[in-house]
Amino acid sequence: SAVISQKPSRDICQRGTSLTIQCQVDSQVTMMFWYRQQPGQSLTLIATANQGSEATYESGFVIDKFPISRPNLTFSTLTVSNMSPEDSSIYLCSVVVTREGQYFGPGTRLTVT
Amino acid sequence: RKEVEQDPGPFNVPEGATVAFNCTYSNSASQSFFWYRQDCRKEPKLLMSVYSSGNEDGRFTAQLNRASQYISLLIRDSKLSDSATYLCVVDSGGSNYKLTFGKGTLLTVNP
Repeated sequence: SAVISQKPSRDICQRGTSLTIQCQVDSQVTMMFWYRQQPGQSLTLIATANQGSEATYESGFVIDKFPISRPNLTFSTLTVSNMSPEDSSIYLCSVVVTREGQYFGPGTRLTVT
Repeated sequence: RKEVEQDPGPFNVPEGATVAFNCTYSNSASQSFFWYRQDCRKEPKLLMSVYSSGNEDGRFTAQLNRASQYISLLIRDSKLSDSATYLCVVDSGGSNYKLTFGKGTLLTVNP
């Protein structure tokens, strides 16, 4: 398994601003993912963030809105840009340790007013 | 057809009951299958992987039927602490480890 932390744990932001979420892992991992979980919904993959390559975005998500950095094998950031109330959600990072599933960070609860 | 479809729930059962969750998936190329558990306001946690041969972990039994593209989770002798949302999760079938999550089934175990 892996121990994953995220910062901030929660934030309330005004529309039009941006928030950068950090994800830190206690071991080196190649594959890292960012998800969104909207209220009452399941998880939706935003992008895959592998170290040494550009992030790969899923349909409906674009780099201008959700820029991602992956500077090393233990850290990644996701920025939610030009926020609107529709971006209110929980944002989670996850890592692949083995083929046996992914492990998730505790999430960042974002409210946009 | 949704990629991963689960019983909509919610399930309300008394302590000690046996409860079964069902899930179907649409991607015949999927190779890895999981059940995750998500407690209220917490992140999902891996409960168990699912194999064609079936696997058991204490009170939990998972089954996979590749021909029917069907996955199940059985919880025996349910405990109050089993109350959570159970997520059926399937990979994309490639080497990219991407996962698709079902909407989840809420279980409440009552005293």
